[in-house]
Amino acid sequence: AQTVTQSQPEMSVQEAETVTLSCTYDTSESDYYLFWYKQPPSRQMILVIRQEAYKQQNATENRFSVNFQKAAKSFSLKISDSQLGDAAMYFCAYQPSYDKVIFGPGTSLSVIP
Amino acid sequence: EPEVTQTPSHQVTQMGQEVILRCVPISNHLYFYWYRQILGQKVEFLVSFYNNEISEKSEIFDDQFSVERPDGSNFTLKIRSTKLEDSAMYFCASSALPQSSYEQYFGPGTRLTVT
Repeated sequence: AQTVTQSQPEMSVQEAETVTLSCTYDTSESDYYLFWYKQPPSRQMILVIRQEAYKQQNATENRFSVNFQKAAKSFSLKISDSQLGDAAMYFCAYQPSYDKVIFGPGTSLSVIP
Repeated sequence: EPEVTQTPSHQVTQMGQEVILRCVPISNHLYFYWYRQILGQKVEFLVSFYNNEISEKSEIFDDQFSVERPDGSNFTLKIRSTKLEDSAMYFCASSALPQSSYEQYFGPGTRLTVT
């Protein structure tokens, strides 16, 4: 079965510091997408960053970057220079081809001023 | 940039009532999806829809649920007789222009509260 695991239910980081959120997934597919979504208290799902499995280069979006290890099926999110607005629930997600997105259980990130 | 829209943003209904949640997918997309997130839990797949029929549904998607694409733009989720446990955030998503990326784009969600 295809699953997504986030082993850290809660994380905290000092403002301006760096934090890494972990994610592992299980699949036998070779082509797929991986995503990190941010969910603030409004409960909207905001796409933070995406990674296409066939691309070896790790995706980067401003202060957000990923460490994609395809062989290890690992997809961690690094947030640099953390800001108070980064506090939210973060979901790792996996999508194989023309199929449903599978979400992890989420990591609640707190930012300490 | 094109986006998926959903209405209403918040719906309050009484147990046993019918509700219809509306979504306008990105124009020319071919695949449509509904997901559900109960408060404090992860997002779960409900149903996928392609070529005017359901292509896959989860065990959550029982006879109380139905989906429809009544015209060329809207995609709806109907819950026939709501239960308290249907209270959740419902997300619509769409994907796949022909010969293009299959990445799904999510709408902002509809918060359904059943009292």
